[in-house]
Amino acid sequence: DIQMTQSPSTLAASVGDRVTITCRASQDIRNDLAWYQQKPGKAPNLLIYKASSLESGVPSSFSGSGSGTEFTLTISSLQPDDFATYFCQHYNSFPYTFGQGTKLEIK
Amino acid sequence: EVQLVESGGGLVKPGGSLRLSCAASGLTFTSAWMTWVRQAPGKGLEWVGRIKSKTDDGTTAYAAPVKDRFTISRDDSKSTLYLQMNSLKTEDTAVYYCTTESFEFWGRGTLVTVSS
Repeated sequence: DIQMTQSPSTLAASVGDRVTITCRASQDIRNDLAWYQQKPGKAPNLLIYKASSLESGVPSSFSGSGSGTEFTLTISSLQPDDFATYFCQHYNSFPYTFGQGTKLEIK
Repeated sequence: EVQLVESGGGLVKPGGSLRLSCAASGLTFTSAWMTWVRQAPGKGLEWVGRIKSKTDDGTTAYAAPVKDRFTISRDDSKSTLYLQMNSLKTEDTAVYYCTTESFEFWGRGTLVTVSS
């Protein structure tokens, strides 16, 4: 199985900050990677697919990059609504697996 | 507007069975490939399995921890996805979400608790 490793596990930041979350795959997954935002008690919300394509309706402050085994999610200017948990996921081969999550907290 | 509504969760004893349903609307269900994802309390997300549309042969794929215990099926006449869960274990306790194969649409989830 392909393992997805996210870092950091927790990130404290302030409104207006630029933040980056990293996801590393244990083997080449091309660009078969998605990023999600999840808030407590809610279903995940797709932000990015194909590593860098922005899902419809998602603010342009979110961006994704990378291919192969190294990927990043960047939020260019944090807004109060962005404090949540973020997950990466590969869909290159079965089983699809998720990273362990990055909790973005208010500093 | 696409809506996915899960139901059927609840408390079940280890070794028991439960069938979850996911009623879909606002999408062409007959051509949709559908997926189940679960999340144990306070934990991360885990892909459970997927079913193709019947026009694309309707085959299924499962994660190793649930293979041979869980079965995904669909009733296109009812636009409903199912997850039959047998031989349940305490580690199956989770919120179960149905989602489209592209993961752009998710239900709100239904909680399954396996406990004696």
